Amino acid sequence: QVQLQESGPGLVKPSETLSLTCTVSGGSVSRNSYYWSWIRQPPGKGLEWIGYIYYSGSTSYNPSLKSRVTISQDTSNNQFSLKLTSVTAADTAVYYCARSDWFYYNFDYWGQGTMVTVSS
Amino acid sequence: EIVLTQSPGTLSLSPGERATLSCRASQSVSSSYLAWYQQKPGQAPRVLIYGASSRATGIPDRFSGSGSGTDFTLTISRLEPEDLAVYYCQQYGSSLYTFGQGTKLEIK
Repeated sequence: QVQLQESGPGLVKPSETLSLTCTVSGGSVSRNSYYWSWIRQPPGKGLEWIGYIYYSGSTSYNPSLKSRVTISQDTSNNQFSLKLTSVTAADTAVYYCARSDWFYYNFDYWGQGTMVTVSS
Repeated sequence: EIVLTQSPGTLSLSPGERATLSCRASQSVSSSYLAWYQQKPGQAPRVLIYGASSRATGIPDRFSGSGSGTDFTLTISRLEPEDLAVYYCQQYGSSLYTFGQGTKLEIK
């Protein structure tokens, strides 16, 4: 059974960089055919896909966030990470990591989510 | 970027009734890349339907998906109180994922 767990600071100051890590167990981030994504959900609002990293290391980002986002992977620790720069209050959200496959491109495994608040 | 518009925004129905949720795309979506999710309060979303009409593992057959092109539907027959949730559609295309804004299902 694949499990994903987000970790990182719950509070980030405006203009600083939000950094989160997703630790994967029961599966490998370097295994062929899977995409590893970050998705966020502001309080009381809907889901927004942030971006993914493919097992090969290639990435794709939401155009609305592309200039501020970097997703990377650490295969030795079976993790992938999110960096979001120059954060504002609008970046306050629950951040999820999730897996999708190359065939149907749906998110079949999700982390439990971690709340990140941007505030001074 | 493909925009997904869900309707209605909120649906209020009684147990045993049938719910029909709509997801309309701004341009044609491959049926293989259209999924539906259920998000209960305080939980992460879980996939219900993938490939527009295939039920995910463990999903009851009360849930069914249909549609093609720009119009997709999630149907929940015989509503149960536990179906209280927000339902999202999601598509993949041109290396980008997008979600609909969600339909909130209330059980009377």
